[in-house]
Amino acid sequence: NAGVTQTPKFRVLKTGQSMTLLCAQDMNHEYMYWYRQDPGMGLRLIHYSVGEGTTAKGEVPDGYNVSRLKKQNFLLGLESAAPSQTSVYFCASSLRDRPSEFYGYTFGSGTRLTVV
Amino acid sequence: DQQVKQNSPSLSVQEGRISILNCDYTNSMFDYFLWYKKYPAEGPTFLISISSIKDKNEDGRFTVFLNKSAKHLSLHIVPSQPGDSAVYFCAARAYNYGQNFVFGPGTRLSVLP
Repeated sequence: NAGVTQTPKFRVLKTGQSMTLLCAQDMNHEYMYWYRQDPGMGLRLIHYSVGEGTTAKGEVPDGYNVSRLKKQNFLLGLESAAPSQTSVYFCASSLRDRPSEFYGYTFGSGTRLTVV
Repeated sequence: DQQVKQNSPSLSVQEGRISILNCDYTNSMFDYFLWYKKYPAEGPTFLISISSIKDKNEDGRFTVFLNKSAKHLSLHIVPSQPGDSAVYFCAARAYNYGQNFVFGPGTRLSVLP
């Protein structure tokens, strides 16, 4: 049972290059999220999805795009990487909450991205 | 403007003693609170939660206390063990604002043998 898998685990990009981070979950979760973690800032939500074919902006969406073509996959794209996007990126997934039931997030192990 | 604050970036505690990690929030609409634990090079893992209708939730060595009037919650770990050394994130959610959690900046706990 893999849970949430992120690829790649590490990447170094040059300013202006593009890349896609892949998140895959095998728990049939409806919701998926992309967060970035920076020192002293905690985890900040970039984009999220509440179901296949849907995406929405989070707290810090600028410079990123996402797609959720399949329920199990959530892709995060950087079209033109900038040094400010150097961070650790975490993907998470969850079931959709019901009013009387709560489901927390399951996180992947992260992707460490450096933009030089 | 951070809605969830953890004002202590780090905390050191002796093994066997109590660890108390604090979290303050500003949004009165938050209805669910979580604590996550994170080891280096790993993703955060869920530790314990509390609903806004409760003031305490206990799970083994971990207890979370919620003081709604003060907009404050705390995580108590008793007794602390070296394996508890990690970064602890407090997170909060407003149900009518979707299901998205807002995370605090984290507190690094070091439990000294």
